[in-house]
Formats: sequence, structure tokens, C-alpha cells
Amino acid sequence: AQSVTQLDSHVSVSEGTPVLLRCNYSSSYSPSLFWYVQHPNKGLQLLLKYTSAATLVKGINGFEAEFKKSETSFHLTKPSAHMSDAAEYFCVVSGAGSARQLTFGSGTQLTVLP
Amino acid sequence: NAGVTQTPKFRVLKTGQSMTLLCAQDMNHEYMYWYRQDPGMGLRLIHYSVGEGTTAKGEVPDGYNVSRLKKQNFLLGLESAAPSQTSVYFCASRPPGTSAYEQYFGPGTRLTVT
Repeated sequence: AQSVTQLDSHVSVSEGTPVLLRCNYSSSYSPSLFWYVQHPNKGLQLLLKYTSAATLVKGINGFEAEFKKSETSFHLTKPSAHMSDAAEYFCVVSGAGSARQLTFGSGTQLTVLP
Repeated sequence: NAGVTQTPKFRVLKTGQSMTLLCAQDMNHEYMYWYRQDPGMGLRLIHYSVGEGTTAKGEVPDGYNVSRLKKQNFLLGLESAAPSQTSVYFCASRPPGTSAYEQYFGPGTRLTVT
């Protein structure tokens, strides 16, 4: 079985400052990990994915995440926040079965202050 | 392509009423999923299907039934709605042989049970 824990339910940053959204995972095998973003009243959009290639993964809109096996972490970062980054972010782990069920974290609401 | 569509977008039910949510995809995908999203809980898998005529239980299947009579449609039924089923429901689909993150999400159905 696999699980993810998002360590912060809410994060507030000022525009132009760095963003850090924290995620720890638990998995009995080598996991595939993802970050999704959901803007208000919108569906889910894939930000980036880790699938056992490079441990530093770059995604869309300047986001990146680093897979650290020793720390079982997959934190999401961005050097400089933009107002349009305000949204809810989900850390997700994929199951190993053929159906590849996704297990979602509880989400982190990112607020960007002017 | 319309992608993944969900009908209806919004619905209000009284306790004990029944309803069916329709998910349709025009991408010829084999795999289809139903999730529910609750505040502070992320998305949780209700049921999924790996092909026409097959269904399987996810993490939170109780109180729901599903059917996949046609490859392009995945129906989610509530036989006797309860206030605890107030949620936003997302459908997703994926072709076989692809990675888990390649799920295409629908826009969601907001259901309120009073």
C-alpha cells in the first residue's frame, strides 16, 4: 500500500518570494510521484512527474520537485511566486497494479500575497 | 474531441433520493475512475474499471454502485443518498499501457445532499 502526507494544509507567501510545499510518501516499492494543481472551480492539471529517472524534476510554470529516497520526500518548489500560482496543490503517488490507482494527499492551499 | 465530460455539473438531492452521475469519454480509453473530493481529504478513489463490463472497488466504495456497459461511459449511482455523500465527484480515464499520471480528468460534479 502507498500513502502521501502533505505537511502543510495552508501556505502563504508574498509575490516574488520562494515557494515550498512539502510532501512525504510511503510506499513498499519504487514509487511514481506527481504534483497536481487545482485552480478554483477547475479540474486537475498535472504539474510534474517523477518516474524513476532524474531525481530533480522540472514541471510547468517554473515549478520543480526533488525526489529524496532517504528522506521519503518529494517537496515542490518555485524560486519566485506569482499571483497566478494561488491554487490548491496535491502530491500524488501511483499504485503498482495494472489499474495504476492514484492516491492523493490532502492538499496544500497556496495563497500568494501582493 | 470533447475529452472527459460529466453530467450533471451540479445537483441537489434530498436524503434517501437516488441519482446517477454520467461520465463519458471519446478517447477510446480502457481505464475509467470515479473519485470524490472533500475539503482537507484530497481525492479518494470510489470505483474504477479496467474495461467494458468490468468494475472494481476503490478506497471508499460504500454507498455507491457503478456500471460500465459501454466502453465510453462509466456510471456512478447513489441508491439512497446521505448527507455524507455531499462532495465534488471527478471522473477520469486513461488508455492502457500508459503511466498513472496520464489520467484525463473531467470538470467535476458538485453534489449536495440535504
